[in-house]
Amino acid sequence: GAGVSQTPSNKVTEKGKYVELRCDPISGHTALYWYRQSLGQGPEFLIYFQGTGAADDSGLPNDRFFAVRPEGSVSTLKIQRTERGDSAVYLCASSLMGSQETQYFGPGTRLLVL
Amino acid sequence: GENVEQHPSTLSVQEGDSAVIKCTYSDSASNYFPWYKQELGKGPQLIIDIRSNVGEKKDQRIAVTLNKTAKHFSLHITETQPEDSAVYFCAAQAQAGTALIFGKGTTLSVSS
Repeated sequence: GAGVSQTPSNKVTEKGKYVELRCDPISGHTALYWYRQSLGQGPEFLIYFQGTGAADDSGLPNDRFFAVRPEGSVSTLKIQRTERGDSAVYLCASSLMGSQETQYFGPGTRLLVL
Repeated sequence: GENVEQHPSTLSVQEGDSAVIKCTYSDSASNYFPWYKQELGKGPQLIIDIRSNVGEKKDQRIAVTLNKTAKHFSLHITETQPEDSAVYFCAAQAQAGTALIFGKGTTLSVSS
């Protein structure tokens, strides 16, 4: 079946603007994760959803970052007042049920803040 | 919190040789250790994983070993091929945690 999909694949925005990044998990996966990957680094955890609720948002860097998953499937990561330091690849992953299972990653959204 | 260190940062081998990548972790509560392969412009792809109740796991040319006492685990690739060239990441996850904590990655280059 289809894997995790993310849109857009690339996003260029200006400092101060608002952006939304979308993630479509593997069908039937109840757990969804967002990570951020800077150049030359490993992915860093941002937030974890179990169903519709954010079970762990300890990785969100500040209150400019917010994520939702209103129907327990698609998730949107929202970044307000973007800064140049937000430039990175934003990765989404999903797993079948809980956090102790294999996480399957999407291709990522490459965000560039000018 | 958990910290994962990965070595080497780059590794160059000839086709057919073996490659070994090593990781250490700090949190003794970690019990799940996946390895991901990431090609340029793509997301990480799981290649093998191991849980703390097992010391070694093998899948064709790929194997992972885990030493819980020393808190380190290693990826072994035998008979390397040019298509094995990519960035490899190790990760650790604590039993009660949700986040995968990743190492900084190893860029593997296999020349023919």
